[in-house]
Amino acid sequence: ETGVTQTPRHLVMGMTNKKSLKCEQHLGHNAMYWYKQSAKKPLELMFVYSLEERVENNSVPSRFSPECPNSSHLFLHLHTLQPEDSALYLCASTKSGTGDSPLHFGNGTRLTVT
Amino acid sequence: EDQVTQSPEALRLQEGESSSLNCSYTVSGLRGLFWYRQDPGKGPEFLFTLYSAGEEKEKERLKATLTKKESFLHITAPKPEDSATYLCAVRASNYQLIWGAGTKLIIKP
Repeated sequence: ETGVTQTPRHLVMGMTNKKSLKCEQHLGHNAMYWYKQSAKKPLELMFVYSLEERVENNSVPSRFSPECPNSSHLFLHLHTLQPEDSALYLCASTKSGTGDSPLHFGNGTRLTVT
Repeated sequence: EDQVTQSPEALRLQEGESSSLNCSYTVSGLRGLFWYRQDPGKGPEFLFTLYSAGEEKEKERLKATLTKKESFLHITAPKPEDSATYLCAVRASNYQLIWGAGTKLIIKP
């Protein structure tokens, strides 16, 4: 399989649940990203792993926890979420170090928090 | 403050009716402007990168242009399959990527 693959495609969870989103890239890239996409709003960067260094948006709540075990896999661990966390969560990858390499996105996980 | 604004928010056209989407930006030290297409239920798909004012790139019915303040995505004789949300993003001198909110394009047959 090629490209960036995200699982699951859809997730419904209660506020007390713990779940994880998974992302895998088969492009040989060395930087991976988590973005949040809400309706009619710009993409919001949550976390970046570049050459195994983590960069995060300081406004992301601690109920979101990323994990990047290697350059091909990325996880987003979720716990005690709020209804306003319902959104499309997108994973992306790129070749870091060039500065102008475009992002390649997965098809996202549609998360609904009830 | 670095900012990217896309207009209009939504655009409805008849098949064959040409038009343009706008991406205005204020950023310190442009390192590249990116256009993406996003279909419902899918992630954004890369279209173009523009680096300097005066640069143009084309792909099928799409042509992207760049000035010092804005970029246009021109759509010539669009077809229903061109319907999608088009996203613009700008990379600043600190390599941060700033996104616009997108333009939803609907092409009616």
